[in-house]
Amino acid sequence: NAGVTQTPKFQVLKTGQSMTLQCAQDMNHNSMYWYRQDPGMGLRLIYYSASEGTTDKGEVPNGYNVSRLNKREFSLRLESAAPSQTSVYFCASSEFTREGQPQHFGDGTRLSIL
Amino acid sequence: SQKIEQNSEALNIQEGKTATLTCNYTNYSPAYLQWYRQDPGRGPVFLLLIRENEKEKRKERLKVTFDTTLKQSLFHITASQPADSATYLCALVPFSGGYNKLIFGAGTRLAVHP
Repeated sequence: NAGVTQTPKFQVLKTGQSMTLQCAQDMNHNSMYWYRQDPGMGLRLIYYSASEGTTDKGEVPNGYNVSRLNKREFSLRLESAAPSQTSVYFCASSEFTREGQPQHFGDGTRLSIL
Repeated sequence: SQKIEQNSEALNIQEGKTATLTCNYTNYSPAYLQWYRQDPGRGPVFLLLIRENEKEKRKERLKVTFDTTLKQSLFHITASQPADSATYLCALVPFSGGYNKLIFGAGTRLAVHP
């Protein structure tokens, strides 16, 4: 039972390059989320998808786009990477989007932008 | 401004003692508060959830309290073990009437020494 799987685990990009981070969950969850985690700061929500076919902005969406490909998969795209986007990116899922649902996280993608 | 704060200094305790971690918040009205554990290089793992109308919740050696007057949650690990060493994140869920929004603290690192 894999839970939430993220690929790749590590990536180094040059400024201006584009990249897509992949996320898949096998728990039949309806809602999926993308966060970034920076040193000394809490996880911050980038985008979320309450259900298949819907996506909405979170706290820090600038510079990112998302696609909810199907119920299992939710990808995050950096169109033109900037050094400020160096971070650890986590994907998460929950059964539903209503308040209080525990979220299940992947092990992250460590992204460095030079 | 809205803030959620956890002690940024690591908590060092002796095996067998009770560890107590603090989460304070300002200018939020949480519907729920959740606690997660995060190991180095891994994603957060959900531990416990407490509702705003609950004072205390227990799960095995874990106990969470929630004081909406003090705007504080305490997380206790009794009979601590070296395997409990990790970073512990609190996350509040505001009354939003909408999606499952989590606001994370930056976490407190716990080190349990034999």
